[in-house]
Amino acid sequence: EAGVAQSPRYKIIEKRQSVAFWCNPISGHATLYWYQQILGQGPKLLIQFQNNGVVDDSQLPKDRFSAERLKGVDSTLKIQPAKLEDSAVYLCASSLDRVSGEQYFGPGTRLTVT
Amino acid sequence: DQQVKQNSPSLSVQEGRISILNCDYTNSMFDYFLWYKKYPAEGPTFLISISSIKDKNEDGRFTVFLNKSAKHLSLHIVPSQPGDSAVYFCAARDQTGANNLFFGTGTRLTVIP
Repeated sequence: EAGVAQSPRYKIIEKRQSVAFWCNPISGHATLYWYQQILGQGPKLLIQFQNNGVVDDSQLPKDRFSAERLKGVDSTLKIQPAKLEDSAVYLCASSLDRVSGEQYFGPGTRLTVT
Repeated sequence: DQQVKQNSPSLSVQEGRISILNCDYTNSMFDYFLWYKKYPAEGPTFLISISSIKDKNEDGRFTVFLNKSAKHLSLHIVPSQPGDSAVYFCAARDQTGANNLFFGTGTRLTVIP
């Protein structure tokens, strides 16, 4: 079974530029999550999707971050404009549904904002 | 406000001995607890979990213990192997609202051959 796919793996941009990350969850997983992991910290949830609807985006900085999950499968996370403090690893995870406890993570995208 | 805490940033253990990783939480609405293992440049990998209605769950060399009254859980690895060297994250699920996971800051385990 293929795992969660993410691209790109690494991205370096200057502040005020925009960037987008892509995620393809495990086939059949209805729930998709985006996390931000800053160096030395644990992953912090940004947004949760159930199929193509948003369940929780309370921790998403909506003035600069946006996310969508068209057709309930792939998802993109965008930052515009980026700030220095956005430097982090962005992790995508998926689970069968919202009730299942286990979430399965992709390899992440390491973003460096200079 | 850190609802899940791992107070030991690092732990070193000799190969073959027991590794004990600890985690404390503050939110009494957490109903499910998980341990994830993370290697460099990879995403976290699910290791083992426990429901709040249990106090122990075992899977091979890995055992998780839950003490609800103390709001404390621990992961025991016996015997420890060099391949277990990684960062371990404790996570807890909030059963209210969106069933979100809250993660600790991680403990880096080094198993010395």
